[in-house]
Amino acid sequence: DQQVKQNSPSLSVQEGRISILNCDYTNSMFDYFLWYKKYPAEGPTFLISISSIKDKNEDGRFTVFLNKSAKHLSLHIVPSQPGDSAVYFCAAKGLTGGGNKLTFGTGTQLKVEL
Amino acid sequence: GAGVSQSPRYKVAKRGQDVALRCDPISGHVSLFWYQQALGQGPEFLTYFQNEAQLDKSGLPSDRFFAERPEGSVSTLKIQRTQQEDSAVYLCASSARGPGPRHRYTQYFGPGTRLTVL
Repeated sequence: DQQVKQNSPSLSVQEGRISILNCDYTNSMFDYFLWYKKYPAEGPTFLISISSIKDKNEDGRFTVFLNKSAKHLSLHIVPSQPGDSAVYFCAAKGLTGGGNKLTFGTGTQLKVEL
Repeated sequence: GAGVSQSPRYKVAKRGQDVALRCDPISGHVSLFWYQQALGQGPEFLTYFQNEAQLDKSGLPSDRFFAERPEGSVSTLKIQRTQQEDSAVYLCASSARGPGPRHRYTQYFGPGTRLTVL
């Protein structure tokens, strides 16, 4: 079963506008969430994270929002830039087992158009 | 400083061959993880080391998969008698001990090894 879901396989946004990427999870034992960006032929690169005790974390153009009751998080990129075009993965860490292993969603391909 | 490195970057194997994939984590990182990423999917956990101890291997798909980290730094993922379904990108990641959750929980990934089994 897919414990972390990214239901939008792709998203297209104009340069300068806001990009909103969504992620839903089913396991209430997840306590830490991360977003990664991935370019072709490269490994995922860490972007931003949030603990389950918070509802917002901001870092420059990137903001992550967490709604625990809805088991939903989102990544906002403002303003979007062409260099942001990549695949974005949502990942979650559980409270128990596997050390700090991460469970990933299937990714959303973001395309920022000029 | 240097990030996580993996070698080889690409590996083509004939079905039934054994392969060995290498990971050099970030210096000083205690935790090391291996993930498998199939085409169009997110990375899936295979196994986890803390120093030289393999604390979780629940994600290894079969007993043909074996990982080691004998001196607590470099790790090798070995796949015996490769099958076509083993074709994927194998990612290695490492993380520090702390302080703070961001340092402990953030994993830094290498570029991956793309394995193709013919």
